[in-house]
This record gives sequence, structure tokens and C-alpha cells, in this order.
Amino acid sequence: AQKVTQAQTEISVVEKEDVTLDCVYETRDTTYYLFWYKQPPSGELVFLIRRNSFDEQNEISGRYSWNFQKSTSSFNFTITASQVVDSAVYFCALSVYMKGNTPLVFGKGTRLSVIA
Amino acid sequence: KAGVTQTPRYLIKTRGQQVTLSCSPISGHRSVSWYQQTPGQGLQFLFEYFSETQRNKGNFPGRFSGRQFSNSRSEMNVSTLELGDSALYLCASSLDGTTDTQYFGPGTRLTVL
Repeated sequence: AQKVTQAQTEISVVEKEDVTLDCVYETRDTTYYLFWYKQPPSGELVFLIRRNSFDEQNEISGRYSWNFQKSTSSFNFTITASQVVDSAVYFCALSVYMKGNTPLVFGKGTRLSVIA
Repeated sequence: KAGVTQTPRYLIKTRGQQVTLSCSPISGHRSVSWYQQTPGQGLQFLFEYFSETQRNKGNFPGRFSGRQFSNSRSEMNVSTLELGDSALYLCASSLDGTTDTQYFGPGTRLTVL
């Protein structure tokens, strides 16, 4: 079975601080995909990144960066110079490749509050 | 390209009633998945449809059902509503399946009184 753990329930930072959201996953499969989504107060889940298990390269997109480490089964997300607009709930998710594919398994989410 | 749309956005029902929610995927996407989000249980998978066939089903009672039409639009139905069914129901579409990037709609917030 697959599992995603986001140990940080809530994080509060002051604007312009850097913040890292942790994600630890569990799966016995070798082919899998990891995702991060952002859920602002409006409720819609906004896709941020998709990473497959064979690509351990870190990725940077503007102020966002992701650190994927298979050795520790972690896929952490860092926001540099946080802004008030970054305030949202962030979800890490896992899907395993098999016949028919498996559904997304989500972590419980981390609520980020960025204070001006 | 238009995103995933869901109707209605808000719904209030009473216990025992039934409800139908609708989801229109992104054009060209053949896979539609449904998720339930509650404060206690978080985001839980309901089912996935691909080419009008249910391909995956989560651990929900038979009161929850769905279908997909030939144009990939999907509906989910909940019969004999219970108070615990109050939740945000999210629909997601992807090209071919759940390992592809799933794009979510705005959700339907269902309140059961």
C-alpha cells in the first residue's frame, strides 16, 4: 500500500522568509509519480509539479524548488522569499504505475500562512 | 484551453435525499477521477473513469456511484444521503490516467442537513 506523510500540519512565516514543506512517502513499487498541489481558500487544487521515480534531479521554478531523495523517500518543497499569496494548504501526493494505474494518495496537507 | 468545470458549485440537501454532481474534463482528457475532501479524512479517492468504464474504485459504500459519457463528461451520484457525506467533492481530469498530471476542478461543496 502507498502512504504519504506530511508531518507539518501548520507553518507560519513572515513574508520574505524561506520555508520548506516536508513530504515523506512509502511504496514498494519502483515506478511511481510524486506530485505537489496547492489549495488556496477558493478550494481548487492547483497543480505545481509532477516527478517520476527515475528522475531524481532537483527542480527549480521561479521561487519554488523541489528536492527529491529516493534514499530517504522524501520529496520536499521549498518556497524562497515567501509572499502573502503563497498562503494556502499544500498537498503532496503519490501515484504508482501499474495496470490501470493507482489513484492519487494524498498527504494530510500543510497549511502555510505567510504574514505581511 | 478551458479547465475542468464542475456543477453545481454548492448544494444543500437533507438526509435521505440523493444528489448528482457533474464534471466536464479538459478537452482531450479521457480520464476523470473523483475525490472527497473532509476535514477529518482529508482527500480520499472515490473512483476513476476512462473511456466510459470504471477503472478504479475507492473504499466507499455502494451509495456512491458514477458514470462517464462518450464525450468524457462524468457524473457522480450519492443516494440516501447521510450527514457524513457533507464534503467538498473534487473532480480531476487527465489525459490517460492517474499517473498523468491530474487537473482539478473548483469542486462542489455538498452540505447535508
